[in-house]
This record gives sequence, structure tokens and C-alpha cells, in this order.
Amino acid sequence: GAVVSQHPSRVICKSGTSVKIECRSLDFQATTMFWYRQFPKQSLMLMATSNEGSKATYEQGVEKDKFLINHASLTLSTLTVTSAHPEDSSFYICSARDLGGRARQFFGPGTRLTVL
Amino acid sequence: EDKVVQSPLSLVVHEGDTVTLNCSYEVTNFRSLLWYKQEKKAPTFLFMLTSSGIEKKSGRLSSILDKKELFSILNITATQTGDSAIYLCAVNTNAGKSTFGDGTTLTVKP
Repeated sequence: GAVVSQHPSRVICKSGTSVKIECRSLDFQATTMFWYRQFPKQSLMLMATSNEGSKATYEQGVEKDKFLINHASLTLSTLTVTSAHPEDSSFYICSARDLGGRARQFFGPGTRLTVL
Repeated sequence: EDKVVQSPLSLVVHEGDTVTLNCSYEVTNFRSLLWYKQEKKAPTFLFMLTSSGIEKKSGRLSSILDKKELFSILNITATQTGDSAIYLCAVNTNAGKSTFGDGTTLTVKP
């Protein structure tokens, strides 16, 4: 299947700093990428849908100024957690939808963020 | 490189049929295997499996893990049109990494 990578895989930062997470589709072009946050009991919450060349669409309750999303190219979307706090500590997963006829979603390996 | 392979890629059945979805994996330091159902927004968590041979059941859905042969199956009995979705399998490792399969698209026709 198609490959989606995330970088970094783990990050530990101090409270108040900003952290950028990259999501790349390695062997296909993705007009749409999705950012999820994983909560306890394994549930995934969709945070935002990122479209190449336009503003991201945020889900209700997700602060757009706190979680900045940029989708600069067909293979790269970034999520920046600004002024991170301990409650932002979580597992962030991205997925990318390919341009092909089936428009399937492929998931990245996730980024574990720990804010001290 | 960690790998999760789901089969079949897609499946079309009629209401009342029973389906079996497969997930095989090759990962380093396996911790758990998860099944999700994705319809619209975020995938919905179904099961987490950590031990071999213990069946997890929720209504018409059940799942079992074989850690020796490195696979899991998800069974859905008496399928309904509402079961139509993409079913995702993900494997977590002790290093905290999550690898998703490409999913099986299930279509249940009336």
C-alpha cells in the first residue's frame, strides 16, 4: 500500500513551546490530509481536514490558532501545536487520501507528543 | 520495516451474510492489534487484542488474534447495510509506533 510518514515519531518539549509535526505522502499525491488525535481507550478524534493550497477545515471544539495546519504541497502537511501545554500531550496521527479513483486513506505511524 | 496487510481489499455481500476480514502483520515488539470501523470522520474503535486465542465479542462482531501465525480476523455475522464501511487494522508496538493496514472496504447490499 501507499506510504505515509510522520516526523518526528516522538517529541518531548517544555510547556509554552511550539512543536511542528510533518506528515508526508511518500509515493503518491494527496490533495487531502487528515489530522487525528488519539485519546485513551484508543479512540481517534478528527481534528482537521487539510486541503492542499487552501485553509484547513477544523472540527468543532478544535482551536485553529492553537493547532496550525499548513498543506503547502501535494505531499506535505504540517501540524504545529503552538504554546503547548501538558494537556496537549497525546498521540497525533495523520492520514492522506490519494488522488486515485478509489480515493483511499492511508495512515501515518503517528507522533507521540509529551509536554512537560 | 513494520508491515500490516489487510485482505481482501474490498468485499461486497448481501444482508444476512457472514464476512471474515483478515489482518496479517510483521512488526518488531508487538504490543497490541486494534480494529477500527471508518464510515465518515474518524475511525471508530472496535477491539483491542493483545493475547492469542481469546475472542473478543461485541454484538455481531467478533475478533481473535493469533500471535504465532501473526494475524487477526474480524468476523461480522448477519451483516446489515449499516455495516458498510472501511475496516482498519492497526498494530501498536512497544516503541509506541502505530502501523495501519490499508483497510477493507465492505459493502453490504440490501
